Amino acid sequence: DTGVSQDPRHKITKRGQNVTFRCDPISEHNRLYWYRQTLGQGPEFLTYFQNEAQLEKSRLLSDRFSAERPKGSFSTLEIQRTEQGDSAMYLCASSSHSGSGDTQYFGPGTRLTVL
Amino acid sequence: GQQVMQIPQYQHVQEGEDFTTYCNSSTTLSNIQWYKQRPGGHPVFLIQLVKSGEVKKQKRLTFQFGEAKKNSSLHITATQTTDVGTYFCAGPTSYDKVIFGPGTSLSVIP
Repeated sequence: DTGVSQDPRHKITKRGQNVTFRCDPISEHNRLYWYRQTLGQGPEFLTYFQNEAQLEKSRLLSDRFSAERPKGSFSTLEIQRTEQGDSAMYLCASSSHSGSGDTQYFGPGTRLTVL
Repeated sequence: GQQVMQIPQYQHVQEGEDFTTYCNSSTTLSNIQWYKQRPGGHPVFLIQLVKSGEVKKQKRLTFQFGEAKKNSSLHITATQTTDVGTYFCAGPTSYDKVIFGPGTSLSVIP
């Protein structure tokens, strides 16, 4: 257990529905990342925050995806009008960013299945 | 954009054999990290390398950062079934976010 939690662990939804995932990072960590991972692939960067500021969002990400970290603590990732291609594992990671590196501590992930 | 590549994609070894995976970045990295993901699990941090030419060891695992800080390798001596999983390298982009390579999946045949 890394100390990063995600909820829910599994989500099954019908195409066109909206879904929201939550990530609770390690409390003293200032950075929070969202990744998407499909079978046989590495984690694909989606977006990241430093405290409450969203620093970057992947250009591959459509406007249906949005993320927030309102108080610099937990974060939510919302997918609107889900499509079957959104089916994947959504991973959250937190880190204590320093000049020497950005070690990622991953949560268990939320597995999304879009029917 | 900046890319991190890994080879091989898959490796099957007999238990007791050695294993090496290689990571290459399209740009110079300030540091490189290695992660292991067990089947059904999430990536777990193994180590970070910062200095050019740095070599670090963790029991049977040896990590190396290239002189030009654009490549890295992970070598496992005498693999065991507990080494099964996918090994990812990751590094910061010029914009400071961390990106991951596609990983090398290791299977160990008992």
